[in-house]
Amino acid sequence: AQSVTQPDIHITVSEGASLELRCNYSYGATPYLFWYVQSPGQGLQLLLKYFSGDTLVQGIKGFEAEFKRSQSSFNLRKPSVHWSDAAEYFCAVGADDYKLSFGAGTTVTVRA
Amino acid sequence: ETGVTQTPRHLVMGMTNKKSLKCEQHLGHNAMYWYKQSAKKPLELMFVYNFKEQTENNSVPSRFSPECPNSSHLFLHLHTLQPEDSALYLCASSQDWAETSTDTQYFGPGTRLTVL
Repeated sequence: AQSVTQPDIHITVSEGASLELRCNYSYGATPYLFWYVQSPGQGLQLLLKYFSGDTLVQGIKGFEAEFKRSQSSFNLRKPSVHWSDAAEYFCAVGADDYKLSFGAGTTVTVRA
Repeated sequence: ETGVTQTPRHLVMGMTNKKSLKCEQHLGHNAMYWYKQSAKKPLELMFVYNFKEQTENNSVPSRFSPECPNSSHLFLHLHTLQPEDSALYLCASSQDWAETSTDTQYFGPGTRLTVL
């Protein structure tokens, strides 16, 4: 079965600085990869997803992620964070059993 | 309303109570899901319904009983819960279950459940 690890439980970043959230997955074949964001009191919103093709994926809100098969990673990046980016971020992997497996999440705090 | 809605947003119940969580999606999707989100743990898939038929029960205790009367509505009936069942319960929907691995799931805001 597939699994996801998000090594960073909590990241604090200054407004305007760059952000990178790490995601490592375990799956034998080509996975389907997702990043979701959850703002306080809200459900999960899809930021971006990777199925095939270009390994650099652009998403909403200025986020991008890069799939690296050799490292089993799908890290999320944003060049310049805004205070509104403070939230919890979840990486997820889908596989041929049609289930999504989520990581435990990374909480992002943005300081002024 | 648009998207996926859930009611109530907050629920406090005793261990002997019976309550129900409601989810409604306005996206014309055919698949609906219940997830449990506990603090600092990965989301746990509980149930999946596709075209009103249950296609997945992820070893969930019988004190949780789902109901899907139509493709737009999903309920989670709760009975004799334990304090460790306290969590955020999220509902999601997607176009079809068969394409779940690639199909985007749209989530509701969740119901924050506290079991005393």
